[in-house]
Amino acid sequence: DSGVTQTPKHLITATGQRVTLRCSPRSGDLSVYWYQQSLDQGLQFLIQYYNGEERAKGNILERFSAQQFPDLHSELNLSSLELGDSALYFCASAESSYNEQFFGPGTRLTVL
Amino acid sequence: GEDVEQSLFLSVREGDSSVINCTYTDSSSTYLYWYKQEPGAGLQLLTYIFSNMDMKQDQRLTVLLNKKDKHLSLRIADTQTGDSAIYFCAERTDSWGKLQFGAGTQVVVTP
Repeated sequence: DSGVTQTPKHLITATGQRVTLRCSPRSGDLSVYWYQQSLDQGLQFLIQYYNGEERAKGNILERFSAQQFPDLHSELNLSSLELGDSALYFCASAESSYNEQFFGPGTRLTVL
Repeated sequence: GEDVEQSLFLSVREGDSSVINCTYTDSSSTYLYWYKQEPGAGLQLLTYIFSNMDMKQDQRLTVLLNKKDKHLSLRIADTQTGDSAIYFCAERTDSWGKLQFGAGTQVVVTP
């Protein structure tokens, strides 16, 4: 158990819908990262927050957005969902940008 | 651009050593990581190496880094059936800690 929690574990929804994935980092970690794992793209970095502020953006679609709240939990919002958004979404946390990242168990999103 | 490459599959007998290889392209990478993913689970950090080191040993795991060739390897001694998983190599590519992952090597341990 890495100490990073993600909810829900599984999510099944329809095209065009909007979902919110939630992540609670390890106690004391200020940095949160979101990654997408799909069969065709592998593991891709989406976005990073540090102590409530966005710090880095990767291959994140405009339909996707995220935020980190004052209690340091983070949410990833995915809207206008398409079939190709079906993937495992991982959250990772680290004490700072210079420390190793610990991954949560992931949320498996299925878009039908 | 950045790219991390790994072989896709490795079969090894229980008790033997496994060696998983990885090549990376970003010479400015500061840290390189090995993660393990078991079926239906998240990524478990196994070990990492700082770019100014050549080798790091941690119990059954040995990481070797050849900076000249941008080659990283993970050796697992006395491989057990519980080591069957997908192993990901990752490089840290910027100051914010963004990780660039390889496609993963599936390791199958046979009795």
